[in-house]
Amino acid sequence: GDSVTQMEGPVTLSEEAFLTINCTYTATGYPSLFWYVQYPGEGLQLLLKATKADDKGSNKGFEATYRKETTSFHLEKGSVQVSDSAVYFCALKDGGGFKTIFGAGTRLFVKA
Amino acid sequence: EAGVAQSPRYKIIEKRQSVAFWCNPISGHATLYWYQQILGQGPKLLIQFQNNGVVDDSQLPKDRFSAERLKGVDSTLKIQPAKLEDSAVYLCASSRQGDTEAFFGQGTRLTVV
Repeated sequence: GDSVTQMEGPVTLSEEAFLTINCTYTATGYPSLFWYVQYPGEGLQLLLKATKADDKGSNKGFEATYRKETTSFHLEKGSVQVSDSAVYFCALKDGGGFKTIFGAGTRLFVKA
Repeated sequence: EAGVAQSPRYKIIEKRQSVAFWCNPISGHATLYWYQQILGQGPKLLIQFQNNGVVDDSQLPKDRFSAERLKGVDSTLKIQPAKLEDSAVYLCASSRQGDTEAFFGQGTRLTVV
C-alpha cells in the first residue's frame, strides 16, 4: 500500500543554517504531496503542498519539489530560525483523494 | 474563519473505562477525519466521513472504537473499553468536499493508566 518515509530526527541546527528533511513515498497513481508542521502545543498545520510532478510548493521560506522520478518531496529552507523548531510531517493523499498518509515526523531543534 | 474545535484537550482514564471525544469541524466542510497519533509516530487515519456517511473506517478497531457524525456536522469518537495502548493524541480534521487540504484541531491527549 501507499507509504511515506522521512528521515529520523531529531535534527539540531544553529540559527541561519540550511535545512533539508528528506521524504520519499510509495504510491500507486498520482498522489498529492504535503508537508505539515506541528509547533509545540499546537495542532498540525499545512506548510506547503504540490499536486503534480515537478510542482514546487513554498511557504514561509520553505520549499519542496515533487520529484516523480525519485519519488521524493524533500523539504528545504535556506536559513532556519529558532521559531522553526517544530515537528515536520511529510504526507501524501492518494489519487482518489480519500486518504492522507503521514510519515513518522521529524523533530527540528534550532539553537540561537 | 473559526478552526476545528475539539474537546476535551486532555483526558486520563483507567483501562477498561470508556471515553468520548468531540469534534466540531469548520463550517461548510463536508469531510471529517479522526486520526490517532501515538507518541513518536505520524497520525494514522481511523475513520473518514463524507457528510454523515462513512468513507473509510478500515483502520478503526471496531471492537472497541466507534464514531458517528449525526446531521453531517459534529462528530464523536468513543472508546469502550480503553486499553493501555490507546494512549495517544486523537486528532480531528476537516476539509471541503474534493479539496486536498485538511485543517486540524489541536487534538485530545488521552492517557490510559
